[in-house]
Order: sequence, then C-alpha cells, then structure tokens
Amino acid sequence: QKEVEQNSGPLSVPEGAIASLNCTYSDRGSQSFFWYRQYSGKSPELIMSIYSNGDKEDGRFTAQLNKASQYVSLLIRDSQPSDSATYLCAGYTGTASKLTFGTGTRLQVTL
Amino acid sequence: DAGITQSPRHKVTETGTPVTLRCHQTENHRYMYWYRQDPGHGLRLIHYSYGVKDTDKGEVSDGYSVSRSKTEDFLLTLESATSSQTSVYFCATGGGGLSYNEQFFGPGTRLTVL
Repeated sequence: QKEVEQNSGPLSVPEGAIASLNCTYSDRGSQSFFWYRQYSGKSPELIMSIYSNGDKEDGRFTAQLNKASQYVSLLIRDSQPSDSATYLCAGYTGTASKLTFGTGTRLQVTL
Repeated sequence: DAGITQSPRHKVTETGTPVTLRCHQTENHRYMYWYRQDPGHGLRLIHYSYGVKDTDKGEVSDGYSVSRSKTEDFLLTLESATSSQTSVYFCATGGGGLSYNEQFFGPGTRLTVL
C-alpha cells in the first residue's frame, strides 16, 4: 500500500487561475511534508515545506496540512504557464530523514 | 557552483556489466540518498547513508550496493546490470540547514541497460 497518494492528473487550469493539488497519506505518525516541482527531464526541486497543521504561504504558493484528515494540499495562485510541471508530495517517515514520495500530479497551465 | 553533482549524466551499458554512479556534494549534509524514478512508480529509495561508512537499504535495494568513504561522496554500484535497472537515478542530500528533513536533489543520471 502506497503511503502517499496523489492523483496523477493531468490537472489543467487556465492562466491566472488557482491550481489546487492534493495529497493523502496513510501513516498517522508522519510529521512533516514537502512539495517538489519537477519539470520534464529535470530533477525535483523543493518548493514548500510544512511541519504543522494549518497554512503556510510563500509568494504564490500556499501549503495546507490537515493531520486529522491526513491530507496535504498545495495551492498555486495566479497560475502561469511556467508552473506547468509535475508536483511531488513527500512525507517524512521518522527515520534518517527518509521521505516517502507520491507518484506526482502533472499540472498544465493553459493560455 | 552546484552543491550536488552526479556523474556520469548519461550512460548506456550492456546486461551483465558492472556500473558505478557517483554523487558528490559540497553542502556538508549528513544524509545522502539514492533514488530511482520510473513511470508509474515515482521516486523509490534504493539505499541511503546517515554518515561515513554508515549505510542502509531502501525499498528497492536488490541488485544495488553503495559505499560512502567520505562525507562528500556516495557511490551506487550495480554489480551486474540488468534491463530492469534502466531508469533515471537521482542522488539527494539532507540533514543540514534549518530543516533537518528537507532533501535536495542532484541533476540525475539516465542509465540505459541494453
């Protein structure tokens, strides 16, 4: 059973809209979560980290964590074509800073 | 001035040959990781290291070995490559800075086993 689940997409949103990416996890002991952006043919790039319940905002990005419901989300405001990428959700498993990754959601921002 | 480099970036090899991939970091991070990324499977942990000479297995370690003789370098070896090991391999580091659990990725190595 995959511990971190994501819808593979593609999620298509028009330019300027809000993109909402979601992730659920099964391990209630997971303490912190991370969102990575991966462009085609490139390596994952860390864009957001969230460690406690609630929202964390950084520029156009907002990460939300709800431990009671075991979900994490990433909101991208004013989506741009340059945001088109695959977004990976990862949870910290509690040992040696190991992360468990979801399979990613592909986001397409259309003109 | 990239903090994490991988070599080679691309490699084509034949079944049964040994292959070694190298990861080098200048971040002085304690932890280092090797992942493989395949369509439909996402990133899967092969092996990781929590210090010099300290390594452990990940979820897909069969057919792979690792070594870490210096903080900066983490080697991944395929003793006898098979076609199922055709993949993109990423090295990551972590255990430094403000967040102990963040990981940062190298540029990747695309390996093709014929």
